[in-house]
Amino acid sequence: SQTIHQWPATLVQPVGSPLSLECTVEGTSNPNLYWYRQAAGRGLQLLFYSVGIGQISSEVPQNLSASRPQDRQFILSSKKLLLSDSGFYLCAWSVMGGLFFGSGTQLSVL
Amino acid sequence: AQSVTQPDIHITVSEGASLELRCNYSYGATPYLFWYVQSPGQGLQLLLKYFSGDTLVQGIKGFEAEFKRSQSSFNLRKPSVHWSDAAEYFCAVDAGFQKLVFGTGTRLLVSP
Repeated sequence: SQTIHQWPATLVQPVGSPLSLECTVEGTSNPNLYWYRQAAGRGLQLLFYSVGIGQISSEVPQNLSASRPQDRQFILSSKKLLLSDSGFYLCAWSVMGGLFFGSGTQLSVL
Repeated sequence: AQSVTQPDIHITVSEGASLELRCNYSYGATPYLFWYVQSPGQGLQLLLKYFSGDTLVQGIKGFEAEFKRSQSSFNLRKPSVHWSDAAEYFCAVDAGFQKLVFGTGTRLLVSP
């Protein structure tokens, strides 16, 4: 069966520091991959999605970037974090029939 | 643009009582609709989905939802709520390429 791994679960970073969040999917090939952010008390905002290796689409202009170096690996990065980057980051995959989410990373930028 | 509205921020239901969570969507064509549940600090779990066909769809954990095109609604229901159902519930519409647009969520509280 398919599983999705996301780490770390929690992260506290100072303003201006770099960021790297990793997500890997097992049990499927060529999935669509997504990064969502959930701010406190708000819904989910799609940040990036990818339909294949090296193919990244950005949904909103921001301080973040994404990369897909391998078929089942999706990385969210930042060179310099801002306070406004704090939130709950969720990776998801789909083949068809909806999105399946990882357990999320709670990022606090202080 | 596609959008989803969940008008209730919080709902409190007594254990054993019935539940209905409201969801309205805006989408030009036949929508693909979803309901997800999220426990605190966790990812989202898919409860059910509607693509086409029967407008009443059954999901996991005893949940069901009814698609009503005339009302642009996809309300989630459960006949008898359990304390373990306390969580946040999100309605979503597929905006194309399986990119989901989510509502802001409804937090369900279950009272004894």
